[in-house]
Amino acid sequence: EAGVAQSPRYKIIEKRQSVAFWCNPISGHATLYWYQQILGQGPKLLIQFQNNGVVDDSQLPKDRFSAERLKGVDSTLKIQPAKLEDSAVYLCASSWTSRFYEQYFGPGTRLTVT
Amino acid sequence: KNEVEQSPQNLTAQEGEFITINCSYSVGISALHWLQQHPGGGIVSLFMLSSGKKKHGRLIATINIQEKHSSLHITASHPRDSAVYICAVRGTDKLIFGTGTRLQVFP
Repeated sequence: EAGVAQSPRYKIIEKRQSVAFWCNPISGHATLYWYQQILGQGPKLLIQFQNNGVVDDSQLPKDRFSAERLKGVDSTLKIQPAKLEDSAVYLCASSWTSRFYEQYFGPGTRLTVT
Repeated sequence: KNEVEQSPQNLTAQEGEFITINCSYSVGISALHWLQQHPGGGIVSLFMLSSGKKKHGRLIATINIQEKHSSLHITASHPRDSAVYICAVRGTDKLIFGTGTRLQVFP
């Protein structure tokens, strides 16, 4: 079974530029999560999708971050414009459903904003 | 105060030593996860438990629901165990993560 795929693995941009990350979850997983992990901290949930609907985006900075999962499969997370404090690893995870099942994590995208 | 606290934050050990990482939480949970994160960012799930004890190879995880405490033990530690170990608790539908314990095992 293929795991959660993410791309790119690394990205370096200047502040005020835009960036997009892509995630393809494990086939059949209805729930998809985007996390932000700043160096030295645990992951912080940015947004959770159930199929193509948003379940929780309470910690997503909506003035600059957006995410979509139009067909209920893969997802993109965009930052526009980026700030220095957005430098982090962005992790995508998926699970069968949200409540009782394990989350499987992708390798992450390391973003550096200069 | 964080809802999930881990100790110690950093841990160094000699190969072969027995290692314990602790996790305390302050919220009601349905399950607790132990995760391993290697340099480069990828996270691997080690255990998901809601009671008692689980063992997988040299890894043992225990949880005491009444005391809101869990421990991860590594027996006969090896340099390849060097990683960040993260405790995460499942509240309603979301995971709440600790800040992790950075383990370095030297030969």
